[in-house]
Amino acid sequence: SQQGEEDPQALSIQEGENATMNCSYKTSINNLQWYRQNSGRGLVHLILIRSNEREKHSGRLRVTLDTSKKSSSLLITASRAADTASYFCATVVLGQETSGSRLTFGEGTQLTVNP
Amino acid sequence: EADIYQTPRYLVIGTGKKITLECSQTMGHDKMYWYQQDPGMELHLIHYSYGVNSTEKGDLSSESTVSRIRTEHFPLTLESARPSHTSQYLCASSERGRNYGYTFGSGTRLTVV
Repeated sequence: SQQGEEDPQALSIQEGENATMNCSYKTSINNLQWYRQNSGRGLVHLILIRSNEREKHSGRLRVTLDTSKKSSSLLITASRAADTASYFCATVVLGQETSGSRLTFGEGTQLTVNP
Repeated sequence: EADIYQTPRYLVIGTGKKITLECSQTMGHDKMYWYQQDPGMELHLIHYSYGVNSTEKGDLSSESTVSRIRTEHFPLTLESARPSHTSQYLCASSERGRNYGYTFGSGTRLTVV
C-alpha cells in the first residue's frame, strides 16, 4: 500500500482564503516532499522538509512535519485561482538511502480555488 | 535551459503494437524514474535507474522495459501494447543524494485501443 495518505481528498475554497492539506505516512522517513500537479501535466516540486525539521516556509507555502504523529501539513496562504491543482506529498523512507531514495507518493488532494 | 522532455505528449495506438516512450533530461542527473498514473490517482513507480547501465523494477509490476545507455536518455518500451496499458506515464530525474526533489516531464498520455 502507498506510504502517504492525503486529507482531504478534495478541497474547495474562495480566493484569498488559506488552504490546508494534510498528509500521513506509515514508516519512518528521511524527508517528506510536496508536489503540485496541474490537470494532465507533470508534477512540480514545491518544498522538501527533512525529518529533523519541524517547519519550513517558501513564499506563500508553509509546511510542518510531526514525526511523532507521522504527519505533515501544507498551508497555502492567500490562495489564488492559479493555485487550483492537485497536491501530493511524497516520502523518502528511512533506510532507503543506499537504494536511491525512491519517492513514494500519496493519493493527492484536489484543491479548487474559486475566483 | 535545463529541463526534462517527454515525447510524444499523446499517443493512441492499436493493441499489439510495440511502442517506445522517450524521456530526455539536460541537467546531467544520475537518477531517473518512470511513474504510471491513472487520472486523479496516485503515482506508481514502475522503473528507475541510478546511472548508465543501471535499471531496476519499481513497486508496481509492469510489462514494460527500460534502458539507460546514456545519462540523459531513459526510454520506456512496451513490446505489445494492451488496453490495460492505457494510462499517463511520467518521467522524472533527480540529483544524486537523498535530499533533492524530482524534476518531472510533462508526461505521455497513452491510449491503447
